Amino acid sequence: DTGVSQDPRHKITKRGQNVTFRCDPISEHNRLYWYRQTLGQGPEFLTYFQNEAQLEKSRLLSDRFSAERPKGSFSTLEIQRTEQGDSAMYLCASSPGTDVGPLHFGNGTRLTVT
Amino acid sequence: GNSVTQMEGPVTLSEEAFLTINCTYTATGYPSLFWYVQYPGEGLQLLLKATKADDKGSNKGFEATYRKETTSFHLEKGSVQVSDSAVYFCALSDTAGNQFYFGTGTSLTVIP
Repeated sequence: DTGVSQDPRHKITKRGQNVTFRCDPISEHNRLYWYRQTLGQGPEFLTYFQNEAQLEKSRLLSDRFSAERPKGSFSTLEIQRTEQGDSAMYLCASSPGTDVGPLHFGNGTRLTVT
Repeated sequence: GNSVTQMEGPVTLSEEAFLTINCTYTATGYPSLFWYVQYPGEGLQLLLKATKADDKGSNKGFEATYRKETTSFHLEKGSVQVSDSAVYFCALSDTAGNQFYFGTGTSLTVIP
């Protein structure tokens, strides 16, 4: 169990640019989640996958956000035409998908949009 | 809908003091309840969980009991240490375990 890994740890981009983040979940975990966390707040749900199927997306997720998990293993989260309001910590988590397995979080990708 | 409300911080305690962080929830069905901890510079880690009413989760001296009648899951520790300084998040999952909802977090600082 090597844990959930996220890349990059930090990303600084200019407004209007596109960014892509990667998440590698724990290998035997079927479920993969993306959350966003801003300063002083708890993680806010964005979307989740069961294997390669994206089962739910938050209403907060605008059309500029897209996530994929093409082979049911790693996942990518892309933000197009970034805005300053997108600045946040983007967290990935995985769970076994059996019963109510707890979430195992990565260390996150901190995005700063200038 | 599902939501979690936890006491606001920051909380500052002296070493060996008693800790309570309040958490109440609103949920439909039969949620599971969790406490996560985030140490400085690290990701969120599961601290403890309870999956049904009256269950008590415990870990590292922390405890929380799932109280359905009061819709609460308060975190307690009898004697805190400096190393417990962190942000604590209460969370619930829906009955199927598909979605997880987090509180806003409570920052704890323990001073020697």
